[in-house]
Amino acid sequence: DVKVTQSSRYLVKRTGEKVFLECVQDMDHENMFWYRQDPGLGLRLIYFSYDVKMKEKGDIPEGYSVSREKKERFSLILESASTNQTSMYLCASTPGQGATEAFFGQGTRLTVV
Amino acid sequence: GEDVEQSLFLSVREGDSSVINCTYTDSSSTYLYWYKQEPGAGLQLLTYIFSNMDMKQDQRLTVLLNKKDKHLSLRIADTQTGDSAIYFCAESIPSSASKIIFGSGTRLSIRP
Repeated sequence: DVKVTQSSRYLVKRTGEKVFLECVQDMDHENMFWYRQDPGLGLRLIYFSYDVKMKEKGDIPEGYSVSREKKERFSLILESASTNQTSMYLCASTPGQGATEAFFGQGTRLTVV
Repeated sequence: GEDVEQSLFLSVREGDSSVINCTYTDSSSTYLYWYKQEPGAGLQLLTYIFSNMDMKQDQRLTVLLNKKDKHLSLRIADTQTGDSAIYFCAESIPSSASKIIFGSGTRLSIRP
């Protein structure tokens, strides 16, 4: 079974802290994605990566950065957390172009206080 | 631009059919998807349809695609309490990473 694992289910951080959200997939997938999920807004794409060290901005990249040093790992970084970044964060991966399915992690619920 | 829209809520009686609708804007979409999210869980692929198809049936699920109107629907026959979830419509945008764009999700609730 494909597995996408996010390092934490729940996180509570203080305003201004640097926050790392980690995601690991075990199926040698080319593409990895970070979304945030908010009620009534669905999933909004923050950043995605189609290869090691490659990244592209999604729809809402402001306040976030990403790192993909190894193919299996895609990290989302909040340089200085703010309360409006309180959300559910979902990582996903797909095997390549023309992919028929995105595999999701279980999500990280981040609260910034 | 890329946009996927769906209504936020749907309530149906147990045993009836549920129809969840979705519209999308990008005519270059290759695949269109329906994902299901149960409480406290991530998203799981329910079904998908290739953009050159009109219909796909899989047990209780029927997907209809009207490419001219950019309209996608998911019909769940004989809706059960276990079908209570949020259903997300999504489209795959051809690009280097086959970016997937999601709608806002439709919360399906089942009444007895």
